[in-house]
Order: sequence, then structure tokens, then C-alpha cells
Amino acid sequence: KAGVTQTPRYLIKTRGQQVTLSCSPISGHRSVSWYQQTPGQGLQFLFEYFSETQRNKGNFPGRFSGRQFSNSRSEMNVSTLELGDSALYLCASSLAAGTDTQYFGPGTRLTVL
Amino acid sequence: AQSVAQPEDQVNVAEGNPLTVKCTYSVSGNPYLFWYVQYPNRGLQFLLKYITGDNLVKGSYGFEAEFNKSQTSFHLKKPSALVSDSALYFCAVRDINYGQNFVFGPGTRLSVLP
Repeated sequence: KAGVTQTPRYLIKTRGQQVTLSCSPISGHRSVSWYQQTPGQGLQFLFEYFSETQRNKGNFPGRFSGRQFSNSRSEMNVSTLELGDSALYLCASSLAAGTDTQYFGPGTRLTVL
Repeated sequence: AQSVAQPEDQVNVAEGNPLTVKCTYSVSGNPYLFWYVQYPNRGLQFLLKYITGDNLVKGSYGFEAEFNKSQTSFHLKKPSALVSDSALYFCAVRDINYGQNFVFGPGTRLSVLP
């Protein structure tokens, strides 16, 4: 069974631009979560989706948004990019929301210049 | 609120020796506990989890962890370390009361020296 895939793997943007990251979960998984990983802040939870509904949201500004489609694929969008948004963005999928094990994709490395 | 602490930023151990990576947690209810490993330029890989039952949990690659409710700890262990175990290890907790997201510890970098 294929794992979680994320596209693109690397992205370079400039301040003020917006970006969309994509995540395809493991087949059959209906829950997708997004995390931001930086050397200073570690792994921080962004949001969790289950059956196209946002179930949880982390403490990030409104510039960070996401959505999930009927096929469980998910996208996250960051508008008006700031230098501090440079990070590894990780997507994780699980069978259901709640306590199921999350399986992570390889991440998208976003660099904001 | 839930939180996870990994008191050691770095753990060094000689190949063949036992290793321990420490994790303590704080939740208001009953915890679901996880260990993940991250290799350079990779996402996180699941190692093991504790949901309920036996306090000693066995996972992938020979790793195991012991849940200790009184000490609120979930330390990761391996009897004999390999150089290939060198990586960044994360402990994570999720409160059993659904609605709480996963919270990850800051990570512990394990270096296994040949």
C-alpha cells in the first residue's frame, strides 16, 4: 500500500506570496493532519480534517488554512507569506480521527525569501 | 492542557549498549502515547504506541517502551543499539478525551557511536 505523498517536496517563495501544499493520504484513511516543523519551535499542530470537516485547529494565524476533499486528499494554503513561515510542512493520515496511529509523509520544505 | 517533555536534547550511546530515550507527559485524562523516529530529510516514522493494557509495549526495529502511570513517563528503550538507530526521536501524546490534537515533544537526537 502506498504511503502518504506530499507535493511539491521543495518550494521557494518570496514574502507576500501565497502557497498551496498538497497531501494524498494512505488509501482508506479518512483523517489528515498538518504540522509545521522548525528547528526553534519543533513540531506544531496546524489542523486536522476528517471526512471533509475540520476537527481541530492549532494556534496559527488565519493566513494558514486548509481543506479536505471527498477523496480524503487535503491541501493547505498559506497566504501573505512571511520569512518565519519557512519550515518543513508535514502531513499525516490515519484511518479515523481520534487515537488512531498517524502515518507521516516526507514533508514539503518551504523556503520564504 | 496536554504537554510532553523530553528532558534530553541529545543522547550518546556506544553501539551494542542499551539505550534509553526519556519522555514524560501531562494530560487531564488518560493518555494515548506514541514514539516516532525521524531520519534526515524524511518524515516521521511510527515506532510504537500505548493505548491500554500491558505497560510494556514492543514496536518496530527492536524498540520497546514502558508506560508508567505513577511517574507519567513513557521511556523508549532498546537492548542493543545500532549505528543505524542514530536519528531524531519524538514522543507524542493525545488525551483519551477525543477532541484533543496530538502534542509532540521537542525531540531527542540519538547518536550511536561505533
